[in-house]
Amino acid sequence: DIQMTQSPSSLSASVGDRVTITCRASQGVSNYLAWYQQKPGRVPKLLIFAASTLQSGVPSRFSGSGSGTDFTLTISSLQPEDVAAYYCQKYNSAPYIFGQGTKLEIK
Amino acid sequence: EVQLVESGGGLVKPGGSLRLSCAASGFTFTSYSMSWVRQAPGKGLEWVSSISGSGSYIYYADSLKGRFTISRDNAKNSLSLQMNSLRAEDTAVYHCARGFSNHQYDFDYWGQGTQVTVSS
Repeated sequence: DIQMTQSPSSLSASVGDRVTITCRASQGVSNYLAWYQQKPGRVPKLLIFAASTLQSGVPSRFSGSGSGTDFTLTISSLQPEDVAAYYCQKYNSAPYIFGQGTKLEIK
Repeated sequence: EVQLVESGGGLVKPGGSLRLSCAASGFTFTSYSMSWVRQAPGKGLEWVSSISGSGSYIYYADSLKGRFTISRDNAKNSLSLQMNSLRAEDTAVYHCARGFSNHQYDFDYWGQGTQVTVSS
């Protein structure tokens, strides 16, 4: 079965840092890759779709890149409100599975 | 304003059944795929099932092994999930989520979720 593997599983960084989260698919998914942010106690929020397209209303400090099997979510300058879990998801074909998540904290 | 409101969760014994519903409003329901995504306590997101706008295409996670059935009533703007032979590992918050378009299965709106607890 196809797997989505995120790294790291957890991350602590300082305000203003550049933060990078990676997602690797065990099979190619073209650019059918989405990133979600889930703040504590909240529902997930779509950040990026089609690997690099920013969803409306998402701050420009978030960006995505990649194609095929290797993808990256980058926060250019970490803000306190970015504390959350981040998930990638493939949606080229079923199963539309998520990565295991990356928990981001402020140092 | 897009709204997704789940209902039907609760406490059920192992082997029991439950039917979840999701009432949708604020958009043209038939134009969007819909899905169920669950999250066990302290765990990550797990995709459960999806259905296309017309209901013609249905997909399930392999782990469900035929125990769950997704359906939609486009006349009532409603999504359902029939869950049978429930197990302790099905305990989770179940969210309904709207697909980005009819045949696209990334999720741009999520409901608050309904809690399902499977325990004796």
